[in-house]
Amino acid sequence: QKEVEQNSGPLSVPEGAIASLNCTYSDRGSQSFFWYRQYSGKSPELIMSIYSNGDKEDGRFTAQLNKASQYVSLLIRDSQPSDSATYLCAVNPGNTGGFKTIFGAGTRLFVKA
Amino acid sequence: DVKVTQSSRYLVKRTGEKVFLECVQDMDHENMFWYRQDPGLGLRLIYFSYDVKMKEKGDIPEGYSVSREKKERFSLILESASTNQTSMYLCASSSTSSGGFDEQFFGPGTRLTVL
Repeated sequence: QKEVEQNSGPLSVPEGAIASLNCTYSDRGSQSFFWYRQYSGKSPELIMSIYSNGDKEDGRFTAQLNKASQYVSLLIRDSQPSDSATYLCAVNPGNTGGFKTIFGAGTRLFVKA
Repeated sequence: DVKVTQSSRYLVKRTGEKVFLECVQDMDHENMFWYRQDPGLGLRLIYFSYDVKMKEKGDIPEGYSVSREKKERFSLILESASTNQTSMYLCASSSTSSGGFDEQFFGPGTRLTVL
């Protein structure tokens, strides 16, 4: 059973701080990694995708991938109250996973003004 | 602007009714998905389709069926609705790359209540 695990939170950070969200996955052959943001009552929307080891930056968001340790993280710099949402980590497993994207259960983030 | 639309935002049905949930995407994606999302359980894949008339079972297909007659449209059918199918239903679509499914674009969701 391929797994993607996240701390459910809630993670609470003050406005302006860095929020760090972590995700681990079980399939060492995984190739594609995604972070989605989901506001309460809304559907998920993609924030970042990352495919190779290292950091990928987009504005205030940085995704970090470490395939050897099988974790992917999302850093949100200068956190704003509007960043309060649930963040879903999603992983495409290797060929043995049947090409089904696996979603983590999500981490709830609260940014306090 | 890319778009995935779902036929209803809110739906209330009675136990035993046949329920149709429709999803349409305008991105010419080959892959389409149906998920349900429940508090504490995350997103669970019901069925997906990688081509017209093709379908694959996801993790929780029991009690559901699907239909994909056209590339842009993917329907979820509850043959005989039960109260444990009360949930948020999300449709998504994606293209395919060498690494598997690309990013998924989600519709707004249908909140189904079965009484």
